[in-house]
Amino acid sequence: GENVEQHPSTLSVQEGDSAVIKCTYSDSASNYFPWYKQELGKRPQLIIDIRSNVGEKKDQRIAVTLNKTAKHFSLHITETQPEDSAVYFCAASKGTNSGYALNFGKGTSLLVTP
Amino acid sequence: GAVVSQHPSWVICKSGTSVKIECRSLDFQATTMFWYRQFPKQSLMLMATSNEGSKATYEQGVEKDKFLINHASLTLSTLTVTSAHPEDSSFYICSALEGTGANVLTFGAGSRLTVL
Repeated sequence: GENVEQHPSTLSVQEGDSAVIKCTYSDSASNYFPWYKQELGKRPQLIIDIRSNVGEKKDQRIAVTLNKTAKHFSLHITETQPEDSAVYFCAASKGTNSGYALNFGKGTSLLVTP
Repeated sequence: GAVVSQHPSWVICKSGTSVKIECRSLDFQATTMFWYRQFPKQSLMLMATSNEGSKATYEQGVEKDKFLINHASLTLSTLTVTSAHPEDSSFYICSALEGTGANVLTFGAGSRLTVL
């Protein structure tokens, strides 16, 4: 099955700096890659996603890049703010082939210090 | 936007009893719902895929007789933890697929189960 690896497991940055979280996947059939933000005790919230026909997507301070050949994708957060502190999960899905089930990475705990 | 309601948000039960968790899509029909389990400070592990009107598909290592899933309508899926034991204590989160082909999952708020 699909195996999603996520690094780093923890990341601490100062407010205003950039944060980068990287994920790799094993199944070349995966074609959908969302990123979720989960605050303590709350549900995961989709923050950005990218499909395999696109190499990069940006939404304000958040961007995601995808390298299909290398099978890795990354989340970039610029001008970080304390409210960005949370656990971020990457995920991969093969779409209809898997019934759209998501396989999650182990998560990155991001801490943004003022 | 799409809303998924999950109930109860937390439950404490005695070892050996059964607990039912409900997952409802409030403003859309979900032919497919997913059940995840999350241990403290760990990732979300897919337990099973629930399809309306058919049997759930369980992931490897998940006991289908212990975690009963029913998806009787397009807006409701239930997870019943049977004969719960302390090791079943966890955060259970459901998610519903919004729209065919959309790949967009909406998560419920989760249910924290504590088995004494």
